[in-house]
Amino acid sequence: EVQLVESGGGVVQPGGSLRLSCAASGFIFEDFAMHWVRQAPGKGLEWVSLISGDGGTTYYADSVKGRFTISRDISENSLYLQMNSLRTEDSALYYCTKDAGGSRPLDYWGQGTLVTVSS
Amino acid sequence: DIQMTQSPSTLSASVGGRVSITCRASQTISNWLAWYQQKPGKAPKLLIYKASSLESGVPSRFSGSGSGTEFTLTISSLQPDDFATYYCQQYNSYSGYTFGQGTKLEIK
Repeated sequence: EVQLVESGGGVVQPGGSLRLSCAASGFIFEDFAMHWVRQAPGKGLEWVSLISGDGGTTYYADSVKGRFTISRDISENSLYLQMNSLRTEDSALYYCTKDAGGSRPLDYWGQGTLVTVSS
Repeated sequence: DIQMTQSPSTLSASVGGRVSITCRASQTISNWLAWYQQKPGKAPKLLIYKASSLESGVPSRFSGSGSGTEFTLTISSLQPDDFATYYCQQYNSYSGYTFGQGTKLEIK
């Protein structure tokens, strides 16, 4: 059974940093790209970033480019999101998601970890 | 970046009814279009991929159509469990997997 469990969320001041983690299990981690998707309270879904299976390719939404860094540790079956220079508009529930590969997009989602940026 | 525009933002319908939600892409995405359902407090669930392919386990009353820049999700014979928020998403390229702004389906 595929499981994605996020952690690392919390309250941080504007300009601060936070590192999110996602523990993956139930599939061959290095075979699949992984993504972060966020959702501000009461708002829609926003794609944030993706990383290829081998970790060699990464992409970011314009809204986080230059501030966020996605990474993965294949030995630990873990996905990370380092978030720097945080802004109030980064406050959201952050989901770790698995890319299905082939012709299908995001097939498994974690339950999310909440990030609140506030002074 | 590719922008996705969904309409309407809110939709009211009755159990047993039929509804359609439209999603337009700012540039052609072939058929790299997915639809997700999200219920309050839950993660989204994949319903349709490649514009018209039904994800395993999803009821056949859900269907998708379209290609290029215009796409439609249709739900026929609405069930109480179908009242939720629906999102389209383009995955045309690794440069970004943009979502539409969502359509909330409410019970009339």
